[in-house]
Order: sequence, then C-alpha cells, then structure tokens
Amino acid sequence: AQSVTQLGSHVSVSEGALVLLRCNYSSSVPPYLFWYVQYPNQGLQLLLKYTTGATLVKGINGFEAEFKKSETSFHLTKPSAHMSDAAEYFCAVRGYTGTASKLTFGTGTRLQVTL
Amino acid sequence: NAGVTQTPKFQVLKTGQSMTLQCAQDMNHNSMYWYRQDPGMGLRLIYYSASEGTTDKGEVPNGYNVSRLNKREFSLRLESAAPSQTSVYFCASTYTQGWDQPQHFGDGTRLSIL
Repeated sequence: AQSVTQLGSHVSVSEGALVLLRCNYSSSVPPYLFWYVQYPNQGLQLLLKYTTGATLVKGINGFEAEFKKSETSFHLTKPSAHMSDAAEYFCAVRGYTGTASKLTFGTGTRLQVTL
Repeated sequence: NAGVTQTPKFQVLKTGQSMTLQCAQDMNHNSMYWYRQDPGMGLRLIYYSASEGTTDKGEVPNGYNVSRLNKREFSLRLESAAPSQTSVYFCASTYTQGWDQPQHFGDGTRLSIL
C-alpha cells in the first residue's frame, strides 16, 4: 500500500525567499513520485516526477525535488519565490490497483507568497 | 490541444436530484479516473477505468456510478444527490502501461447540493 504525508497545510513565504514544501511517502514497492500544482479554479498540473535514475529532478517554473530513500522524502523546493507561485501543491505516489495504475495524493499544501 | 475536458464546470442541484458529469480525453489514453476534492482531504479516487469496457471502484464509490462509453469518454452519475456530495470533481487520464506516465487532469466540475 502507498501513502503520502504533506507536512503543513499552509506555508507562507516572502517574495524572493526559499520555498520548501515537505512530502514523505510510504510505499511497498519502489516509489514513483509526483508533484502537482493547482491554481485557483483549475485542475492539477504536473510540476515534476521521479521514477528512476537521478534523485534530483527539475520541473517547470524553477521547481525541483530530491528523492531521499533513506528519509522516505520527496520535498519540493524553489530558490526564489514569485507571486505567481501562490497555489496549492500536491505530492502523490504511484500505486497499482490490479488492473490500472493509480495515484495516492497527500492532503495538499497551500503556498502563500507575500510582498 | 484540449487534453481532458469536463462538463459542466459548475452545477447546483437539490437533494435527491440526479445528474451526470461528463469527461472526454483526446490523448488516446486507456485509463481514466474520477476524483473528488474536498478541503483538507486532497483528492480521493471514486471510480476508475483501466480500459474501454472495464470499471472499478476506488476508495469512495458510494452514491456514484460510472460508464466508460468508449475509449475517449468516462461519465460519472449521481443517482440521488446528497449534500455530502458537494465537492469539486476531477476527471483524469493516463496510459496504463508505463509507471512513469503522469495523470492528466481536467479543470473540474464544481458541484453544490442544496
């Protein structure tokens, strides 16, 4: 079984500051991990994914995440926040139902960016 | 370049009414999914379809039915709407083969049950 825990339902940073959104996972198989972003009144958009290979993955809009197996973590970072980064972010882990793949989502972290 | 299209975008129902949420994808994906999103609970899987002609229950299927009409379309039906079904509903699709493939989401249907 798979599960995801996102620490902090709300995170607030100043524009230009480091963004760090935390995600810890549990998986009975080697994990495939995803970060999605949701802007107001929109669907989820893929930011980045980890499957195999390099543990530091880069995504869109300057975001990156590092897979750390020993810590079962996949935290999302961005060196310098921009006002346009204000959104809700979801971490997800890939599983399998028996007939199809499925995603198990965390409860989300809402990022607020202030001037 | 539509991707996943959901209709309607907004709907208000009275308790006991029925309605069908429509979803269509143009990416030739074989797997499709319905989720509901509630504050503080993330996305929860209602039903999914691994391929045309098959459907299976997710973690919160009670009160819903689905139909995989063809490879492109996957509909969600509320037979007798209840206030607890007030939520934002998302449809998603992906390739079943290949675990590195992400799911692609529609923009959602915002449903209120009075």
